[in-house]
Amino acid sequence: DVKVTQSSRYLVKRTGEKVFLECVQDMDHENMFWYRQDPGLGLRLIYFSYDVKMKEKGDIPEGYSVSREKKERFSLILESASTNQTSMYLCASSPQLAGRNEQYFGPGTRLTVT
Amino acid sequence: AQSVTQLGSHVSVSEGALVLLRCNYSSSVPPYLFWYVQYPNQGLQLLLKYTTGATLVKGINGFEAEFKKSETSFHLTKPSAHMSDAAEYFCAVSVNSGNTPLVFGKGTRLSVIA
Repeated sequence: DVKVTQSSRYLVKRTGEKVFLECVQDMDHENMFWYRQDPGLGLRLIYFSYDVKMKEKGDIPEGYSVSREKKERFSLILESASTNQTSMYLCASSPQLAGRNEQYFGPGTRLTVT
Repeated sequence: AQSVTQLGSHVSVSEGALVLLRCNYSSSVPPYLFWYVQYPNQGLQLLLKYTTGATLVKGINGFEAEFKKSETSFHLTKPSAHMSDAAEYFCAVSVNSGNTPLVFGKGTRLSVIA
């Protein structure tokens, strides 16, 4: 089975702190994604990566950066956390095959910024 | 560009009743279509997908969906709701490319009443 793991299930940080959210997948997938999920807004794509050291902005990249130094690991960085970044963060991965590119999700990290 | 519309942000059914969750998509090319389920405080799990071939697709937990090109729809159904079906459901679309993200609808929360 595909497994996507996220470093924390729950995280509490203070305003202004630098926050790292880590995601690791074990299925050798080329694509990896970071989303945030808020009530009534569904899933919003922050960044995605289709190869090591490659990144593409999603719909809401402001205030975030990412790093992909190894194929299996994709990190989301909040340079200076703010209260409006309190949210559920979901990582996903997928193979790079048309018609087979369903995304596999991690369990999520619920981040609270106080 | 692709888009997904899920009609009804919240659907409530009685236990044992038919479940119908609606999804309409917009795509200029033949789409691949997906349904995901999210239980509270968890990531998304793939329920079923349509790529090519048979338009009636069966998934896990007794769910199925039918691809109707003429109606640009991919509605999710289950003949008899169970309490354990209470969750949020997301419809998603992809086109014939392996390295682009899925486009998700905003989700429908399903409540099951005893």
